[in-house]
Amino acid sequence: EVVMTQSPLSLPVTLGQPASISCRSSQSLVNSDGSTFFTWFHQRPGQSPRRLLYRVSNRDSGVPDRFSGSGSGTDFTLKISRVEAEDVGVYYCMQGTHWPFSFGQGTKLEIK
Amino acid sequence: EVQLVESGGGLVQPGGSLRLSCAASGFNFSADYMSWVRQAPGKGLEYVATINQDGREKNYVDSVKGRFTISRDNVKNSLFLQVDNLRAEDTAVYYCARFARGPADWGQGTLVTVSS
Repeated sequence: EVVMTQSPLSLPVTLGQPASISCRSSQSLVNSDGSTFFTWFHQRPGQSPRRLLYRVSNRDSGVPDRFSGSGSGTDFTLKISRVEAEDVGVYYCMQGTHWPFSFGQGTKLEIK
Repeated sequence: EVQLVESGGGLVQPGGSLRLSCAASGFNFSADYMSWVRQAPGKGLEYVATINQDGREKNYVDSVKGRFTISRDNVKNSLFLQVDNLRAEDTAVYYCARFARGPADWGQGTLVTVSS
């Protein structure tokens, strides 16, 4: 089973400042066809998760361009260029390459 | 607009059963993998099961194998999860999700509480 490890688990950020979340997998997430099924989600309190980025760096429709994803193999990063109030909540990484698919523990972003 | 609406959750005793349903609309349901993902109260997300487009390929996390069954009805645009022999640790919000390898759309979830 692939273990996804996020850091930090808690992320206090000042409005307008950048933020970065790291996610490391216990195995390479490169699929046999060369694809990397790595995804970032955001979950606000009391809401369902929302997909932000898929296949490492592809932003979903409606996701602000202040969100960006990077990485390869086993190491991935989510960056927010300038944090806004609506960005609070928990961020999860997820791998969809190896079954059972698995999520990171979550990183709680809060405003200082 | 994609809509996924779950139903069927509730309070059940250990060893009991429920049938969770997800009504899908706004997309070509029969063309997509579908998944169930759960979230225990105050905890993170856990994949439960996935099913391919025609329902012949199914995957389950080890902790639910032999107890949960995922299925779909492509005529009625519906996804199901039969949950049997429930345990306290199955208590969670169960989300229906579109796609498997990185769900694009999620329902609002249905709460399953296993308690005597």
